[in-house]
Amino acid sequence: DGGITQSPKYLFRKEGQNVTLSCEQNLNHDAMYWYRQDPGQGLRLIYYSQIVNDFQKGDIAEGYSVSREKKESFPLTVTSAQKNPTAFYLCASSIGTGVLEQFFGPGTRLTVL
Amino acid sequence: QKEVEQNSGPLSVPEGAIASLNCTYSDRGSQSFFWYRQYSGKSPELIMFIYSNGDKEDGRFTAQLNKASQYVSLLIRDSQPSDSATYLCAVSYTGTASKLTFGTGTRLQVTL
Repeated sequence: DGGITQSPKYLFRKEGQNVTLSCEQNLNHDAMYWYRQDPGQGLRLIYYSQIVNDFQKGDIAEGYSVSREKKESFPLTVTSAQKNPTAFYLCASSIGTGVLEQFFGPGTRLTVL
Repeated sequence: QKEVEQNSGPLSVPEGAIASLNCTYSDRGSQSFFWYRQYSGKSPELIMFIYSNGDKEDGRFTAQLNKASQYVSLLIRDSQPSDSATYLCAVSYTGTASKLTFGTGTRLQVTL
């Protein structure tokens, strides 16, 4: 089955800790994205990557970091510098440049205790 | 600031009726438009996309695009209780590569 997987589904973090959210896709898509969703708000872009070993900041990149060492994987680290990290985190992918239909993974719900 | 505006709802329609969801956007240079459905606690699912002015139909769903008026709409015919969800409008803006800007969504309730 082709698709996007995210793990874990739920994640609890103490203040001051860094955590890494996993995103893997087997769709052979070139582009991958990370969004954050807060209650009553739309999706906000954190980082995106159009090819391996390259990524760009989105609209709310502060306090987050990413890597893209493999085409299939785009992990997101939420650092202690992110002041309000509690949110629903969504990973998406698309075929590549010029093809904009994005498909989402099931999401990770992060709660800071 | 490029914006995508949606009425948050809830929009309540009876089963079997037509649901009409609207979205306006701020940049005339916008090129591609997407509708996603999101059930509570789940991730968004792509329903339709439209690039050209006019209507595009897919089953019970019709997307309508009017670039001159800067709005895009989604019609759901024969609405079913299973259509109850939040519908997100997304727009790609000129010069933003593969980035999408999302609206906050309209919550649709289909009543029995």
